Amino acid sequence: DSGVTQTPKHLITATGQRVTLRCSPRSGDLSVYWYQQSLDQGLQFLIQYYNGEERAKGNILERFSAQQFPDLHSELNLSSLELGDSALYFCASSVGPQSSYNSPLHFGNGTRLTVT
Amino acid sequence: TQLLEQSPQFLSIQEGENLTVYCNSSSVFSSLQWYRQEPGEGPVLLVTVVTGGEVKKLKRLTFQFGDARKDSSLHITAAQPGDTGLYLCAGAANAGGTSYGKLTFGQGTILTVHP
Repeated sequence: DSGVTQTPKHLITATGQRVTLRCSPRSGDLSVYWYQQSLDQGLQFLIQYYNGEERAKGNILERFSAQQFPDLHSELNLSSLELGDSALYFCASSVGPQSSYNSPLHFGNGTRLTVT
Repeated sequence: TQLLEQSPQFLSIQEGENLTVYCNSSSVFSSLQWYRQEPGEGPVLLVTVVTGGEVKKLKRLTFQFGDARKDSSLHITAAQPGDTGLYLCAGAANAGGTSYGKLTFGQGTILTVHP
């Protein structure tokens, strides 16, 4: 058990809809990272928050947004969903502001999003 | 953009065989990590290598970081069915740039070990 909790585990929705994925980081970790994993793209970094502030941005679409709350949990909002958004969405957390030898990533078990 | 290429993409072997997975890039990384992911779960960190030429052993797994810190390999000796899973390498960008610490993942190697 990594200590990172993601909900829901599965989500099935229709095109055009909006969903929210939730992540609680490991106790003591201040950074939260969101990744998207698909068969053709592999594991792609979306966005990172550190102690409530956006820290780094990856290949995140404009239809997607995220935030980290004062209690350090994070939410990833996906809107105007398309079939191609179907994927596994992982949250990871780390102690420090960047992944490093002393601040490794701990991944949750993901949310499987299916857009029909 | 830093890219990591893993090979092979798929590996299907018998219990007891040895195997090597490669992770290559044209970019230099400050550190490189190997993860293992099982179905329905997130990636789990196996090891981090930080020094060029570094070799780390974890039971039957041997990890090596290239001298130029652009490539890495994972060697498994006497593979067991429990080793089955998706193996991912991930590189952290070099210090000094805005992407320092951000991990770039390879596409992964799906390993199946048959009893």
